[in-house]
Amino acid sequence: DTGVTQSPTHLIKTRGQQVTLRCSPISGHKSVSWYQQVLGQGPQFIFQYYEKEERGRGNFPDRFSARQFPNYSSELNVNALLLGDSALYLCASSLWPGTGYLSMNTEAFFGQGTRLTVV
Amino acid sequence: GQQVMQIPQYQHVQEGEDFTTYCNSSTTLSNIQWYKQRPGGHPVFLIQLVKSGEVKKQKRLTFQFGEAKKNSSLHITATQTTDVGTYFCAGPANAGKSTFGDGTTLTVKP
Repeated sequence: DTGVTQSPTHLIKTRGQQVTLRCSPISGHKSVSWYQQVLGQGPQFIFQYYEKEERGRGNFPDRFSARQFPNYSSELNVNALLLGDSALYLCASSLWPGTGYLSMNTEAFFGQGTRLTVV
Repeated sequence: GQQVMQIPQYQHVQEGEDFTTYCNSSTTLSNIQWYKQRPGGHPVFLIQLVKSGEVKKQKRLTFQFGEAKKNSSLHITATQTTDVGTYFCAGPANAGKSTFGDGTTLTVKP
């Protein structure tokens, strides 16, 4: 158990619906990143938040949004779901965001993910 | 933008054989990380390499960072069935973005 918790673990949604995924980082970690992993591919970066501010955004449409709360937990929202949004959504927490800390350990601890199926 | 490519995509070995996966970047990397994902699981951090030419070992696993810091490799000696999974390399989280390769999936035949 890495300590990063994600909910729900599985979700089935209909095309056009909206979904909210939740993540609680390891205690003391202030950076949370979201990734989308399609079967057979590596995780694709969606967002990173650090100290409640967005620090990075991947090449995803505006239908994807996220936020980080004062307790450092985070939510990922996806609107107007498409069939192609079906994937494993991973949340990763780390001590630092990585920027500017080149030699510091920025290992990311991943949660077990949320398996989203859009039908 | 930064791209990280891994080869091979799949590797099937007999238990006891060695295994190597290679990671190549289109740009110089400040550091590189390696992760392992078991079937049905989530990526688990293995190691981070920072220095040019760096070599690190973890039991049967040897990680190398190229002199030009544009490539890296992971070598497993005498594979075991517990080594099965997909191994990913990931570029650094500069500006909040980290780039994962598509991984090398290792299967081990007992």
